[in-house]
Amino acid sequence: GIQVEQSPPDLILQEGANSTLRCNFSDSVNNLQWFHQNPWGQLINLFYIPSGTKQNGRLSATTVATERYSLLYISSSQTTDSGVYFCAVHYGGSQGNLIFGKGTKLSVKP
Amino acid sequence: NAGVTQTPKFQVLKTGQSMTLQCAQDMNHEYMSWYRQDPGMGLRLIHYSVGAGITDQGEVPNGYNVSRSTTEDFPLRLLSAAPSQTSVYFCASSDFPGGPDTQYFGPGTRLTVL
Repeated sequence: GIQVEQSPPDLILQEGANSTLRCNFSDSVNNLQWFHQNPWGQLINLFYIPSGTKQNGRLSATTVATERYSLLYISSSQTTDSGVYFCAVHYGGSQGNLIFGKGTKLSVKP
Repeated sequence: NAGVTQTPKFQVLKTGQSMTLQCAQDMNHEYMSWYRQDPGMGLRLIHYSVGAGITDQGEVPNGYNVSRSTTEDFPLRLLSAAPSQTSVYFCASSDFPGGPDTQYFGPGTRLTVL
């Protein structure tokens, strides 16, 4: 099956710093999504991004489908950005499902 | 809209007991799914449904049963709980699994099997 690898596994930042999270996938996918799991466990959809670049405030994401990777950029990080960021790919045709990476745990220190 | 709701939030079971985790959504979504999350892991798909009366297995279906009698509800049954099923369980729904619609997740159920 498809492999979804995220890096780095852990990241510690000072408030105000920028960061880049990476997601590599081993096969062609129908789409890719980024999620944030906050410290209370709630999962929030950040981006649906099968290709190209999208921005939402301080967050942006780029997917290069032909090279099988996606990047999530966080600028001017805040303590509320802490949590785990998951990349998930939709694989297997119209009845396929989301396959999640293991996540990047981000800690933003004040 | 309440979105996706899950009950209970916490549950402790003894090995061999059975129970049902409830999931409901009020967004009229066709697609619903159950995931489990273990420490240091991403979410792994247990079962999913593309509409009322239609269910299928995901990546880790053993030990779990599902049914979908209505669009709104998608319960997950543990037939004989085992310690390996200690995990956090998430239910999710969307209009279409591969489309641009946002995937909505419930708040999770934290299950411990002793």
